[in-house]
Amino acid sequence: DGGITQSPKYLFRKEGQNVTLSCEQNLNHDAMYWYRQDPGQGLRLIYYSQIVNDFQKGDIAEGYSVSREKKESFPLTVTSAQKNPTAFYLCASSMAGQGMGLNEQFFGPGTRLTVL
Amino acid sequence: QKEVEQNSGPLSVPEGAIASLNCTYSDRVSQSFFWYRQYSGKSPELIMSIYSNGDKEDGRFTAQLNKASQYVSLLIRDSQPSDSATYLCAVNRRNYGGSQGNLIFGKGTKLSVKP
Repeated sequence: DGGITQSPKYLFRKEGQNVTLSCEQNLNHDAMYWYRQDPGQGLRLIYYSQIVNDFQKGDIAEGYSVSREKKESFPLTVTSAQKNPTAFYLCASSMAGQGMGLNEQFFGPGTRLTVL
Repeated sequence: QKEVEQNSGPLSVPEGAIASLNCTYSDRVSQSFFWYRQYSGKSPELIMSIYSNGDKEDGRFTAQLNKASQYVSLLIRDSQPSDSATYLCAVNRRNYGGSQGNLIFGKGTKLSVKP
């Protein structure tokens, strides 16, 4: 059963703590993405990776870090430097490259992070 | 100018009617256009992709693209209460960090279908 999984579904963090959100896909996609969604807002790109061992900052990378050691996995760490981390975090994946259908992004179920 | 604009709604239509959702974008060279449906508390689900001018139909959904006017729309025929959701328009961003695959999303239009 192909898809994208994210864990945990809900996460609570105390101020000053780092937390790591998991994202795994078995779609054999090369590209993976992390977005943040705030109430009433569109999706904002945090980080993306087009290939293993390479990743790029998105529009709002400050206070976040990622790694891409395996094609299937793209974990996101929310550090204590992120001033307002409470949000809905979404991981997505797509095939890489240019051309029709190659940049269709498919989303995991999301992780809702709350800072206490 | 915002890169992808959508009317936030809510757009309310009666059951069985046609719902029309609109989106404008600013990057004239964008090539790929997507509609996602997002139920409350859930993640976005891709429902339509369109790459060429004109109409693309899939069941009750029709996507329409007009690149000259930088406009993409989604029509939902025979609207059902289960169609009540927020619909996100997304457009690819050319040459963003060397990637052709990055998307920029509008804030979404909330659709409510009344029984």
